[in-house]
Amino acid sequence: KQEVTQIPAALSVPEGENLVLNCSFTDSAIYNLQWFRQDPGKGLTSLLLIQSSQREQTSGRLNASLDKSSGRSTLYIAASQPGDSATYLCAASYNDMRFGAGTRLTVKP
Amino acid sequence: DTEVTQTPKHLVMGMTNKKSLKCEQHMGHRAMYWYKQKAKKPPELMFVYSYEKLSINESVPSRFSPECPNSSLLNLHLHALQPEDSALYLCASSPREGTNYGYTFGSGTRLTVV
Repeated sequence: KQEVTQIPAALSVPEGENLVLNCSFTDSAIYNLQWFRQDPGKGLTSLLLIQSSQREQTSGRLNASLDKSSGRSTLYIAASQPGDSATYLCAASYNDMRFGAGTRLTVKP
Repeated sequence: DTEVTQTPKHLVMGMTNKKSLKCEQHMGHRAMYWYKQKAKKPPELMFVYSYEKLSINESVPSRFSPECPNSSLLNLHLHALQPEDSALYLCASSPREGTNYGYTFGSGTRLTVV
């Protein structure tokens, strides 16, 4: 069964901290792993897409890594800001896309 | 154009009403998707269209009826919904189905059934 798990479910940090969000998937035969941001009541904004052949992707203060053999991906956020507060979802792409339950991040000023 | 546009943004409908949700993209993507998301839950796949043909129906009740009139447009027709169908409905597209391309999501339609 293709399941995606995200830990922690919620995270609260002071502004300026570096943080790591974790994502694990049970079936390593993924096409890609995509990280999304979702603000309350809004749609999903794609942050980073890692192809199955890649190890990591970077965009600004965000860095995502992928280890297919262990079924894990991490999203690293550097120098967190209050504007980063949102729910972060990871999704593993098979024949369809399987989402984790998300990590709700709060960055306090 | 790199967006998926969904209309309306908000919809309130009675249980006897008929309404439609609309999704549009002009990125040349040939796979389009409908997802349903309840509060504080991940999105759940409802339907997949590939090259304007229904590819996947995740055992969705018949009160939800999808339609893909052309490669840029995806509709979701709603009829005789229940209050528990209230949710955020998300549309997404990708260049092809089931490949190593990422998905682009719209901003969603917040549906309330009264």
